[in-house]
Order: sequence, then structure tokens, then C-alpha cells
Amino acid sequence: KQEVTQIPAALSVPEGENLVLNCSFTDSAIYNLQWFRQDPGKGLTSLLLIQSSQREQTSGRLNASLDKSSGRSTLYIAASQPGDSATYLCAVERVMGAQKLVFGQGTRLTINP
Amino acid sequence: EPEVTQTPSHQVTQMGQEVILRCVPISNHLYFYWYRQILGQKVEFLVSFYNNEISEKSEIFDDQFSVERPDGSNFTLKIRSTKLEDSAMYFCASSEVPNYGYTFGSGTRLTVV
Repeated sequence: KQEVTQIPAALSVPEGENLVLNCSFTDSAIYNLQWFRQDPGKGLTSLLLIQSSQREQTSGRLNASLDKSSGRSTLYIAASQPGDSATYLCAVERVMGAQKLVFGQGTRLTINP
Repeated sequence: EPEVTQTPSHQVTQMGQEVILRCVPISNHLYFYWYRQILGQKVEFLVSFYNNEISEKSEIFDDQFSVERPDGSNFTLKIRSTKLEDSAMYFCASSEVPNYGYTFGSGTRLTVV
């Protein structure tokens, strides 16, 4: 059974710092990995999608990497801003056709002005 | 940017009552999903739906739950007789093709009293 773990559970950093959020998964037979942002009491906003054949994806100040063989992904946020404060979730999709995401518990990020 | 729309944003219901949560997926998407998040816990898969039938469902999705696409735009989740433990945020999601990322709605917070 696929398990997804995110470390740390919470992170607080001063504005302007670069930071890394970690995601690990137990079964490397994934089709893709998706990073989401969740603001308190709100929905899930997709940030980046990495297909299993890819090593990384970038969007603005965000860069996500995927190492399928070791079961790890990282989300790198450059030059953090207070508006980046949110919970970040990673989710993996099983092999093709399964159409089911397995989520980690999230990292709650606070950027202090 | 196209959105997945969920209504209502918050619903309070008495234990034993039936509730229907509504979703309008993105118009050209063909694959639809429901997930839920109990407060403080991971986002969990409930059910996937394609071509007017369930593709996959989790063990959570028992006989108390049902899904329907009553017309060309709505996708609903019905809980027949709500229990206290059904209290959660329910997210609808849709995708154009499977395995290429999902768009989530902003959720319906269901509170069973």
C-alpha cells in the first residue's frame, strides 16, 4: 500500500529565505507526483505536476524535483514571501489508469515578515 | 482560468439526514472525483467516475455514499444517512484525461451534529 510522508510537519522561516519541503513515498511505481497548496479552510491549488519520466518542473519561484527510484520529491521555494504561507501537500498517482491520488499529510509553512 | 465549483461552501446537517454535495467540473473534463479531508488528517480518495459509472472507489465509499451526474454539468455526492464521523471537508476534482493532473474545487465543509 502506498504511503506518502512529508517532512517537516511545520516550518517557520524569515521572509526572503530559500527553503525545501520534502516528500517521500514507499512504492516507486508511480505515474506522477503533484504538489498542491492549501490555504486554511480552502481548496487545493495545483502548483506543479511531475510525470514519472521527468526529473523536475519549474514554475516561477517554485521548483519540484522527483527521484522515483529513491521515492523522494522536493519542493524548492526561492526568495520566500509572506504570501507563500500555506500548507503544501504532495500527492502521488499510482501506475497509469488508476486515477487515484495518495496524499501526504502536508507541511504547514509560515513565512515571517 | 477554468475552475471546479462546489456548493454549498458549508453545510450543517443533523445525524441521520441525507445530504447532497454539488460540483460543477471544468466543462471539457471527462473524469470526476470526490476526496475528503477530516480535520487534521490527510486528504483521502473516495471515488472516481467516468462515462456515467464509478471507475474506482475506496473502502470509505460504502453503501451510504453514491455519486451521480444528473445532467451535462453537475456531479453530485450523496450521503444517505449522515454520521458524526462524516464531518469533513469534501473536495470535488476533475481531469481532462487521467494521469495528467487534477483540478480541485474549493471544497464543502460538512458538519454533522
